[in-house]
Parts: sequence; C-alpha cells; structure tokens
Amino acid sequence: EVQLVESGGGLVQPGGSLRLSCAASGFNFSNYAMYWVRQPPGKGLEYVSAISYNGGSSYYANSVKGRFTISRDNSKNTLYLQMGSLRTEDMAVYYCARVDSGSFRGPQDFWGQGTLVTVSS
Amino acid sequence: EIVLTQSPGTLSLSPGERATLSCRATQSLSNYYLAWYQQKPGQAPRLLISGASGRATGIPDRFSDSGSGTDFTLTISRLEPEDFAVYYCQQYASSPYSFGQGTKLEIK
Repeated sequence: EVQLVESGGGLVQPGGSLRLSCAASGFNFSNYAMYWVRQPPGKGLEYVSAISYNGGSSYYANSVKGRFTISRDNSKNTLYLQMGSLRTEDMAVYYCARVDSGSFRGPQDFWGQGTLVTVSS
Repeated sequence: EIVLTQSPGTLSLSPGERATLSCRATQSLSNYYLAWYQQKPGQAPRLLISGASGRATGIPDRFSDSGSGTDFTLTISRLEPEDFAVYYCQQYASSPYSFGQGTKLEIK
C-alpha cells in the first residue's frame, strides 16, 4: 500500500525556518518525481515545488523561490522541504504528493494527509 | 506562467443530476497535461482523472473529462451523494504547475 506521511509542521515566527519531511512507503520511491502542494486555511491548493526522481532537477513556485529548498534522500525514502524566511502567507497545510511517473509532468496519484505550518508571532 | 480559472465558483445541484465543471487556461495546452482532483473537508485531494492516465484507480465511469487548447471540462454524469465536494483542475505542462481556484459542488 502506498503511504506518504508528512511531519515537521508546527508554529514558527515570521522570518523563521522549518523543515518538513515526507516518509514514503509501499512503492519504489526512487522511481518517482514528487511534489509539495500547500493549502492555506479555507483556501485552494497551491503548487509549491517539484523534484525529479533522482533529485537532479527541481522547480519552485515564484512565491517561494529563493526561500524554500526541496530535496530527497532515496536511501531513506524521504522527501524534504526546507523553508526559510517564513511569512504569514506561508501558513498552510503542506501536502507531499507522488507524480505517477519519474517526470515532473504528470498527475499526482497519491497524497499524504498533510502537515500544518503556522506562521505567527 | 499558466493561470487556470475554474467556473462556476459554486455549483448547486441535486443527486441524479449532471454536473459540468469548467477550467480555462491562459495559454493553450494539451489535455495530456491537465488533471482533475476531488477534495472533501478534512481530507487530502484525490486524483480523479487526467489526460495522461485517464480515470484513476477506483474512480467510477460517471466521471469524464474533455476539452483541448484552453478550455477543459469535468463532467459527472449522474451525481451521487458522495460526489459533493470541491474540485480542482491542475496543469503540469509547464512550471509553475498551477491549480485552478476550485469549484465547490454542493447539494441543492
């Protein structure tokens, strides 16, 4: 059974940093590209970042470029999102999601349950 | 950057009726690079259907998609009670891989 479990969310002050993790199981993690997608409270889905199956390529939304870094450790079946210079508008539930191929350009067929990041002083 | 606009924002229908949800892109893209997701309150989104892979596993055939260029449609042929949710379209043709703002399908 495919499982994606996010962790690392919590309360952080504006300007602070946080690292999210997504532990994958039930599939060959190293064969799949992965996304981070977020959802502010009561709002819609927002693409954050994507990484290729081997970590060699990554993309970011303009709103997080230069502040967030996506990475992965295929030996640990884990996806990461290092978030810095956090703003109140970054407050959201953060989901990791699997792309149904090794390429970025595919639908996300499995999603984790999300982890909440709260940015507040 | 491709922006997706979904309409209507809210759709009020009764079980058994047909639902038609629209997604319009600011640039032409192949339907291969467009997907639809369903999200219920308190749950993660669920992939419904995509141009690349068709209906996702377990998705009933009352869900179908169509469209090309800049105009895309998700159709639910006969609404079941479990279909009332929020629906999002997404393009993954070019980064940033944007989502539409969502259509809320509510019971009339």
